[in-house]
Amino acid sequence: NAGVTQTPKFQVLKTGQSMTLQCAQDMNHNSMYWYRQDPGMGLRLIYYSASEGTTDKGEVPNGYNVSRLNKREFSLRLESAAPSQTSVYFCASRIPGGSSYEQYFGPGTRLTVT
Amino acid sequence: EDQVTQSPEALRLQEGESSSLNCSYTVSGLRGLFWYRQDPGKGPEFLFTLYSAGEEKEKERLKATLTKKESFLHITAPKPEDSATYLCAVQATGYALNFGKGTSLLVTP
Repeated sequence: NAGVTQTPKFQVLKTGQSMTLQCAQDMNHNSMYWYRQDPGMGLRLIYYSASEGTTDKGEVPNGYNVSRLNKREFSLRLESAAPSQTSVYFCASRIPGGSSYEQYFGPGTRLTVT
Repeated sequence: EDQVTQSPEALRLQEGESSSLNCSYTVSGLRGLFWYRQDPGKGPEFLFTLYSAGEEKEKERLKATLTKKESFLHITAPKPEDSATYLCAVQATGYALNFGKGTSLLVTP
């Protein structure tokens, strides 16, 4: 199993450009998440998808959109990038049901907006 | 509002020098407290889940404990390969994890 994979690993955008960050998991997990990590801020939730066909806003959703394409894939789109969106973006997924809520993270996408 | 505070922000240890990292939290209805390890340029790696006060979990040189207000990650006889940032997170209601800012650990030979 590859676990959670993310593409691209690095990206540089100019202000106003758009892009989509891709995430896929092969663990048959229902829930998937997008976080951003900034120095001194910790990980903050952008959007999540509790199951295929549903998405919900997290703590910092402004400027982002998401698509849960199928059970495996959850993408994050920046329609008009801003320098404030310079960050490291992590996708995560969680096992279905049960009493364990731990999330498993991908390797991250490092985005710079100039 | 749920809060997670980790201390210290940074810790430098000599190899073999045991210590503890602290995670204090305020949350209504704790459903789980999680410890992750994050190496530079990598995603967080899951270590432990603790669900109730008094619970303990161990993995190699790491031991996590939980009380009603805080969790400790004890590192016994650390090695340089234990150097990383250790993240604490809590889950209350809903699906989101609320993360602390992390403790950066450096273990020198």
